Amino acid sequence: ETGVTQSPTHLIKTRGQQVTLRCSSQSGHNTVSWYQQALGQGPQFIFQYYREEENGRGNFPPRFSGLQFPNYSSELNVNALELDDSALYLCASSLGRGGYEQYFGPGTRLTVT
Amino acid sequence: DQQVKQNSPSLSVQEGRISILNCDYTNSMFDYFLWYKKYPAEGPTFLISISSIKDKNEDGRFTVFLNKSAKHLSLHIVPSQPGDSAVYFCAARYTGGFKTIFGAGTRLFVKA
Repeated sequence: ETGVTQSPTHLIKTRGQQVTLRCSSQSGHNTVSWYQQALGQGPQFIFQYYREEENGRGNFPPRFSGLQFPNYSSELNVNALELDDSALYLCASSLGRGGYEQYFGPGTRLTVT
Repeated sequence: DQQVKQNSPSLSVQEGRISILNCDYTNSMFDYFLWYKKYPAEGPTFLISISSIKDKNEDGRFTVFLNKSAKHLSLHIVPSQPGDSAVYFCAARYTGGFKTIFGAGTRLFVKA
């Protein structure tokens, strides 16, 4: 059974640039959620994808967008990067629309300068 | 909006004793409450959950208690072990299943 993987591990970008983060969900899981974790805080929900469709969204602006592919892997795209976007981005997979037990990847550390 | 609050940033406990981590919430629209454990450089790991219709759930050394009238839950670890040293996040899932809210975490130190 393959766990949740994320790439890249670390990333440094300049303000105004665009970034794409990737996530492979745990084998058999069809739901992916993305979280932003700032230093000293808990993960904040960005959005969730279920079977390639957005299933819900948190309080993040439209420049945060995502995709889920037929194999249930997922991408998080952030446009027009701001300094406050610097954070750990976590991907979590779960089984079904109602699955509450989420399996997290190790995260991507994004630094915006 | 801090709908899930963990008011203790850190907790230090002697090995073998009980660790009690606390969490308060403000919204009645949650159907499941969860605890996750996080080690450095790893993603959070699911530990234990409790349905909003229950008041206790136990799994080995870990027990979660839910007091709905007080909007409070707690995680008890007995006995505490040095390997339990980690950051513990309390989380609550909205009814409907698409959004989970996390607290800021409590760092637990278990001293040998």
